[in-house]
Amino acid sequence: AQSVTQPDIHITVSEGASLELRCNYSYGATPYLFWYVQSPGQGLQLLLKYFSGDTLVQGIKGFEAEFKRSQSSFNLRKPSVHWSDAAEYFCAVGEGSSGDKLTFGTGTRLAVRP
Amino acid sequence: NAGVMQNPRHLVRRRGQEARLRCSPMKGHSHVYWYRQLPEEGLKFMVYLQKENIIDESGMPKERFSAEFPKEGPSILRIQQVVRGDSAAYFCASSPKQTNSPLHFGNGTRLTVT
Repeated sequence: AQSVTQPDIHITVSEGASLELRCNYSYGATPYLFWYVQSPGQGLQLLLKYFSGDTLVQGIKGFEAEFKRSQSSFNLRKPSVHWSDAAEYFCAVGEGSSGDKLTFGTGTRLAVRP
Repeated sequence: NAGVMQNPRHLVRRRGQEARLRCSPMKGHSHVYWYRQLPEEGLKFMVYLQKENIIDESGMPKERFSAEFPKEGPSILRIQQVVRGDSAAYFCASSPKQTNSPLHFGNGTRLTVT
């Protein structure tokens, strides 16, 4: 069965600092990988996705993620964090022919210091 | 182009009552997914439906929970005889089911059982 591990429950960074959120997955085949962001009381917004091809994926709001098969990782990065980035971030792996049945990690809550 | 619409946003039920959660997918989307988010946890897959068909209900509890997506109208997640452990956020997502189309999530229904 597939699984997703987000080892960091909470992360606090200063505004303007760089950010990396870790995600490791377990899946037998080539994975479909996603990062979603959830603001308090809101639904999930897709930041970026990896299906195939270039292992460095660009997303919205200046985020990027790199798929590393050898490490079973799909870490999310942003070079300079803004206060509005404070939210909860979820990594997910998808199964099925179009990767639409998702298994989520438990999330990383990001706080941003002014 | 409206997104995935869920209602109500908040629902309070006493133990033993029934809860009905509604989801209207995005225009042009024929596939609906229900996920549950327990406090401090990631989202867990419950059920995947097409119009008039349940495709995958492997994540649904065996008792008290049911889902439908009729030919006309929204998808309904129904919880009978609710218990305190059913308190959670329930998210609906939709997809056009084309290859490489990610899920679009609604803002969720927050169910509180008193």
